[in-house]
Amino acid sequence: DTGVSQDPRHKITKRGQNVTFRCDPISEHNRLYWYRQTLGQGPEFLTYFQNEAQLEKSRLLSDRFSAERPKGSFSTLEIQRTEQGDSAMYLCASSLDWTGELFFGEGSRLTVL
Amino acid sequence: QQQVKQSPQSLIVQKGGIPIINCAYENTAFDYFPWYQQFPGKGPALLIAIRPDVSEKKEGRFTISFNKSAKQFSLHIMDSQPGDSATYFCAARFANAGKSTFGDGTTLTVKP
Repeated sequence: DTGVSQDPRHKITKRGQNVTFRCDPISEHNRLYWYRQTLGQGPEFLTYFQNEAQLEKSRLLSDRFSAERPKGSFSTLEIQRTEQGDSAMYLCASSLDWTGELFFGEGSRLTVL
Repeated sequence: QQQVKQSPQSLIVQKGGIPIINCAYENTAFDYFPWYQQFPGKGPALLIAIRPDVSEKKEGRFTISFNKSAKQFSLHIMDSQPGDSATYFCAARFANAGKSTFGDGTTLTVKP
């Protein structure tokens, strides 16, 4: 399977703990995106990379969130000092930079107790 | 601030019906308008997309109608089937930028 893969699929953590999610994009895609989705809402943009460069970060993203894409391959999204409001599905997507088509992974569901 | 407004929030049709989902936008900087389909527990998957220089695009049973002057676009599903029951999201991508902004989704139920 050459789709976008995300790990872990589910994470339950206590408030104040740090969590990290990993995304492996489709290999030939140079753009990688992180979105957050809560129940009953559409995906909300967090950040995106072109190759290893982080080109945009949402103003909604607090400084507790950090994302990296070393060497332009896989990406990690870390949330420090988690809060209950961080509970959501974190979606990763990739694309070729000349198309608008996003290929999403199945997401990483975070529950903060 | 909601950049793309989607309606209705939910929709129930009988098998064979033609559900229509509408979206409206304000920002003329958008240059690509996709629709995504999402099943429970899965990520969204691209269904069909249109660029603003085209008024209609059809792929199989799915049709997008685009009205540039009204800043509206809609998804029509012909001969709907129970397997089409899912949540549908419209989206819009900023020209020369990477990100897309999504509507809040429409939950479609097709009754057999």
